[in-house]
Amino acid sequence: EAGVTQSPTHLIKTRGQQATLRCSPISGHTSVYWYQQALGLGLQFLLWYDEGEERNRGNFPPRFSGRQFPNYSSELNVNALELEDSALYLCASSFGWGSPNSPLHFGNGTRLTVT
Amino acid sequence: GQQLNQSPQSMFIQEGEDVSMNCTSSSIFNTWLWYKQDPGEGPVLLIALYKAGELTSNGRLTAQFGITRKDSFLNISASIPSDVGIYFCAGQGVPSTSGTYKYIFGTGTRLKVLA
Repeated sequence: EAGVTQSPTHLIKTRGQQATLRCSPISGHTSVYWYQQALGLGLQFLLWYDEGEERNRGNFPPRFSGRQFPNYSSELNVNALELEDSALYLCASSFGWGSPNSPLHFGNGTRLTVT
Repeated sequence: GQQLNQSPQSMFIQEGEDVSMNCTSSSIFNTWLWYKQDPGEGPVLLIALYKAGELTSNGRLTAQFGITRKDSFLNISASIPSDVGIYFCAGQGVPSTSGTYKYIFGTGTRLKVLA
């Protein structure tokens, strides 16, 4: 069974540009979560999508946005990039929000570097 | 908001020693998860706990869901060099008024094993 896949693996952008990160969940999973992990730090919750809708949002500015497609894959968009947006962006998937006993399974992340 | 306090922040141990780390919170959690993250990779699920008082083992790993639902610990027995990495706890909080669940992550325990 294929795990959570993320692309690209690495992304280098300059300040002010936009970045788009993509995630494909495990087959059968309808929930997708996005986390930001700055170097050496913990995981900060960004966004949670389930069945195509945004279910919850972390304490991040509106320039962090995303969407979930009908096939449950997801996109994270970061507009007007700032240097402090440089981080590892992790995507995780689980069964839907009606299935509380469903742990998160993570991809290997996209390393975003803003110069 | 809900927060998880994970300790210790880092550990240096000798190969063969046992390791213990824990997470505590002022809030009640419905689920506790333990993950390990290797450099450049996403967190990998080690153990999931769903019931207060539950004790679960996975090889040399043992984790328990605290009776009060506000804490959890992870033990690693007879550590080996490949145990090195960052260990995260995660709690699935009590549903919000909208019925949605959210996972909160601890700040991580960095484990280094000396051969």
